[in-house]
Amino acid sequence: DTAVSQTPKYLVTQMGNDKSIKCEQNLGHDTMYWYKQDSKKFLKIMFSYNNKELIINETVPNRFSPKSPDKAHLNLHINSLELGDSAVYFCASSQSASLNTQYFGPGTRLTVL
Amino acid sequence: GIQVEQSPPDLILQEGANSTLRCNFSDSVNNLQWFHQNPWGQLINLFYIPSGTKQNGRLSATTVATERYSLLYISSSQTTDSGVYFCAPPEDGNEKLTFGTGTRLTIIP
Repeated sequence: DTAVSQTPKYLVTQMGNDKSIKCEQNLGHDTMYWYKQDSKKFLKIMFSYNNKELIINETVPNRFSPKSPDKAHLNLHINSLELGDSAVYFCASSQSASLNTQYFGPGTRLTVL
Repeated sequence: GIQVEQSPPDLILQEGANSTLRCNFSDSVNNLQWFHQNPWGQLINLFYIPSGTKQNGRLSATTVATERYSLLYISSSQTTDSGVYFCAPPEDGNEKLTFGTGTRLTIIP
């Protein structure tokens, strides 16, 4: 029973394409996050949703659009993929939006050719 | 935003050795989390430690918020301890974690 799951695990695509990454958590948490980890292992938050509402929106290109159909799911859609988008994308969740332990998914390795 | 520095950047130890990883941060915090990223890329939360000391098996962590640092201790290292250790205090006291650059630990059998 995976607590935070992501699909797909690997994604290889051409520049200019549009792709989506899905995330689901079965922990009953209210808050979900997307992080990006670059090739140097630097981890940075991109978005956070609390009960389906956007609460953190870092300075990311508007080609990235998160969508939360319900509080157990947070998907990430990326338009017009660029080479620099290649990275590992992690989804995470926490019980609430205030200072709780965050649990991470296994990551999605995106490679843009 | 908050600045986070971890040291050392790399550490290579023999199995059975003990180690101390340090995390310095630039602002007062009321939360700090330590994570282990294993060689397969999985991020595991080790500690949620805003202050004081916590222990979990061979691992323990201490945060001295007033002096703006946290330490992660690993005793009797095992090869499965290899990976990258990140500390992550929040920015502005909210839920937005700021990750340090990590300490890469390699345990040699």
